[in-house]
Amino acid sequence: AQSVTQLDSQVPVFEEAPVELRCNYSSSVSVYLFWYVQYPNQGLQLLLKYLSGSTLVKGINGFEAEFNKSQTSFHLRKPSVHISDTAEYFCAVTGGGTYKYIFGTGTRLKVLA
Amino acid sequence: DGGITQSPKYLFRKEGQNVTLSCEQNLNHDAMYWYRQDPGQGLRLIYYSQIVNDFQKGDIAEGYSVSREKKESFPLTVTSAQKNPTAFYLCASSILLQETQYFGPGTRLLVL
Repeated sequence: AQSVTQLDSQVPVFEEAPVELRCNYSSSVSVYLFWYVQYPNQGLQLLLKYLSGSTLVKGINGFEAEFNKSQTSFHLRKPSVHISDTAEYFCAVTGGGTYKYIFGTGTRLKVLA
Repeated sequence: DGGITQSPKYLFRKEGQNVTLSCEQNLNHDAMYWYRQDPGQGLRLIYYSQIVNDFQKGDIAEGYSVSREKKESFPLTVTSAQKNPTAFYLCASSILLQETQYFGPGTRLLVL
């Protein structure tokens, strides 16, 4: 069975500092990986996805993530955050012929002035 | 402008009452999904549909029902059998069942 772990429930960071949000998954088959962002009382917006090919994936709003198969990780990074990046971020995995998305429990990023 | 709409934004339910949440998409997607979001628990799948007039139970279908009479619409009914309905409900769609999912803005359901 597939699973996703987001180890950090909250990450505070100062504006213009770099940030990394961690995501680890477990799966015995090939996976597709996603990062979504959710602003308060809104739906989820797709930030980026890894389906195949290059392990470094670039997304919207300056975010990027690297697929590391040996470490079963898909960490999200941004070199310089803005106040507007304050939101909750969800990692999700699917694949192996299943339709199901398995979501992590989310990481709340708080950018401080 | 294509997208997914959900209504209402807030919904109040009385004890013993059934309520219906609306989800409409104009993306021409075949697959649609309903998720429930509770604080600290991520998203859990309630029901999904890959084609008109067909739908399947997800992980937490008890106390919920759906219909898929039109490709564009996938309403969710929260029945009186759902004893803890207070949550944020998200609708999503994808071109096909295994493709990237796109989400609506959500409906927050509260119990009076």
